[in-house]
Amino acid sequence: QQQVKQSPQSLIVQKGGIPIINCAYENTAFDYFPWYQQFPGKGPALLIAIRPDVSEKKEGRFTISFNKSAKQFSLHIMDSQPGDSATYFCAASSGNQFYFGTGTSLTVIP
Amino acid sequence: ETGVTQSPTHLIKTRGQQVTLRCSSQSGHNTVSWYQQALGQGPQFIFQYYREEENGRGNFPPRFSGLQFPNYSSELNVNALELDDSALYLCASRETGGRNYGYTFGSGTRLTVV
Repeated sequence: QQQVKQSPQSLIVQKGGIPIINCAYENTAFDYFPWYQQFPGKGPALLIAIRPDVSEKKEGRFTISFNKSAKQFSLHIMDSQPGDSATYFCAASSGNQFYFGTGTSLTVIP
Repeated sequence: ETGVTQSPTHLIKTRGQQVTLRCSSQSGHNTVSWYQQALGQGPQFIFQYYREEENGRGNFPPRFSGLQFPNYSSELNVNALELDDSALYLCASRETGGRNYGYTFGSGTRLTVV
């Protein structure tokens, strides 16, 4: 059973566009929600993370929106660049274990 | 620049064999987790070690085992390899209790079982 559901599976945007990736979860015990970026041949790298006591967090061009009542959270990438082309994973954690989504392959066209 | 180093980067093994994958974490990172990432999928939690003791395990059989050493290095051992064990194996570490709750991942070991 997939603990964290992620969509879309793939996304193509023009340079400067704002791709949005969505995730949903069921377990209300989750208390930490990170987003990871992964390039081919590399391990995931932490981009930004949020805890459920806030509804939004911004770090540079990356923003997480969090809706606790709907048990959903999303990643927005402002002014997207070709260098942002990668696979993005959302995750949720409670204690020791992180549950990852299935990933979104983002392509930013110049 | 990641502070987590994994070796080897690639490995080919035959079904039924045993394999040991190694990870060197950042100094001070006393918590290490191992993940299996199949092609096109998100990482799946195998287990976690804290101060050399296993303190969390995902849905993986006992033939997946690990060790953590005092020098912030760790190992993942897989016995009786199966074809479905072919995947990218990721080591991730963090400092428990530190401000940064997130894990730092290594670049992984690509294991192919034939």
